[in-house]
Amino acid sequence: DVKVTQSSRYLVKRTGEKVFLECVQDMDHENMFWYRQDPGLGLRLIYFSYDVKMKEKGDIPEGYSVSREKKERFSLILESASTNQTSMYLCASSSPGGGRGYTFGSGTRLTVV
Amino acid sequence: EDQVTQSPEALRLQEGESSSLNCSYTVSGLRGLFWYRQDPGKGPEFLFTLYSAGEEKEKERLKATLTKKESFLHITAPKPEDSATYLCAVQAQTNAGKSTFGDGTTLTVKP
Repeated sequence: DVKVTQSSRYLVKRTGEKVFLECVQDMDHENMFWYRQDPGLGLRLIYFSYDVKMKEKGDIPEGYSVSREKKERFSLILESASTNQTSMYLCASSSPGGGRGYTFGSGTRLTVV
Repeated sequence: EDQVTQSPEALRLQEGESSSLNCSYTVSGLRGLFWYRQDPGKGPEFLFTLYSAGEEKEKERLKATLTKKESFLHITAPKPEDSATYLCAVQAQTNAGKSTFGDGTTLTVKP
């Protein structure tokens, strides 16, 4: 089975800190995605990547950046964490054909205090 | 802009009481429509992909159907373990790989 592993299940960070969320997949998928999920707002796309060193902005990229130096790893960076970035962050991967949809990680619940 | 609307927001059923969840969508050229199941505190888990109107997919007590404007997830004789949030998502042909999600329907099945 495809596995998408997110480095932390729970994180608590202080306002202004730089935060790194790591995601690794083991099925050689080209596509990787970062979403945040908030009650009443659903899943919103932050950034995605179709290949190593490629990145594209999603619907809500402000305050975030990403890095994809290796095919299996896609990192989300909060440059200066703010309380409105408290959320559940979900990483996903898929093959270019996409017929099996996304495989999601278990999520990281980030609290910014 | 692609849009996905799911209804109802929440659905409470008795065990064995069949029902359907709705996913209405607008997309400029459908590449695929996806259903996922999400348990509390976990990431969504893929269930089905539908590609064209008239297509149906089944898995245990779940059956997904697709028309040109909406998809239904039919749940037959549900059990308490079917309780979860069910998410619908679409991909456009022009946005290969990128999905737009609905807000989900939270299903609770009481024994």
